[in-house]
Amino acid sequence: DVVLTQSPLSLPVTLGQPASISCRSSQSLVHSNGNTYLLWFHQRPGQSPRRLIYNVYNRDSGVPDRFSGSGSGTDFTLKISRVEAEDFGIYYCMQATHWPHTFGQGTELEIK
Amino acid sequence: EVQLVESGGGLVQPGGSVRLSCVASGFSFGDYWMSWLRQVPGQGLEWVAHIGRDGSEKYYVDSVKDRFTISRDNRGNLVFLQMNSLRAEDTAVYYCVKDARDWGQGTVVTVSS
Repeated sequence: DVVLTQSPLSLPVTLGQPASISCRSSQSLVHSNGNTYLLWFHQRPGQSPRRLIYNVYNRDSGVPDRFSGSGSGTDFTLKISRVEAEDFGIYYCMQATHWPHTFGQGTELEIK
Repeated sequence: EVQLVESGGGLVQPGGSVRLSCVASGFSFGDYWMSWLRQVPGQGLEWVAHIGRDGSEKYYVDSVKDRFTISRDNRGNLVFLQMNSLRAEDTAVYYCVKDARDWGQGTVVTVSS
């Protein structure tokens, strides 16, 4: 199975400051069709995960433009340009290129 | 608005069975792959099973193969997860998911004697 390794696992951030989360894959996430199915989710306590980014860098509708995704191959990053209070919680990367689809362990974004 | 509502969770004994249901609305159900994912409380996410648009393609994570069966009813906008030979490690919140984007609220399955 593809292993996704996120870092850091805990990310203390001050409101208004940037944040960055890394997701590294044990194998290339480039599909045979040329697409790269790397997604990012955000989950608050007691809530279902919410998808933020799909196919590396595409923001879902309603996702603020302070969120951006980048990367290629095996190395991906989620950036938040200026953290707001609603951004705290756990972030997961996920790959849907290979079956079984797998998730990273999660990164907890917390108030510094 | 897409809505996914799961039901069927509860307390079940090890070795027992349970059937989860998910009723979907707000989109053309037969046009989408549907999935079940799970999350052990306080832990990460695991993709359990995946079913194609007409139900002919199905994929399972190794840990549930030969024990769980995913199915769908396109007339009724329903997707099911039949879970047999349940183990303590199957205890989790089970989510019905469309397209890796839209999630239900989850239903809790607890396997314990």
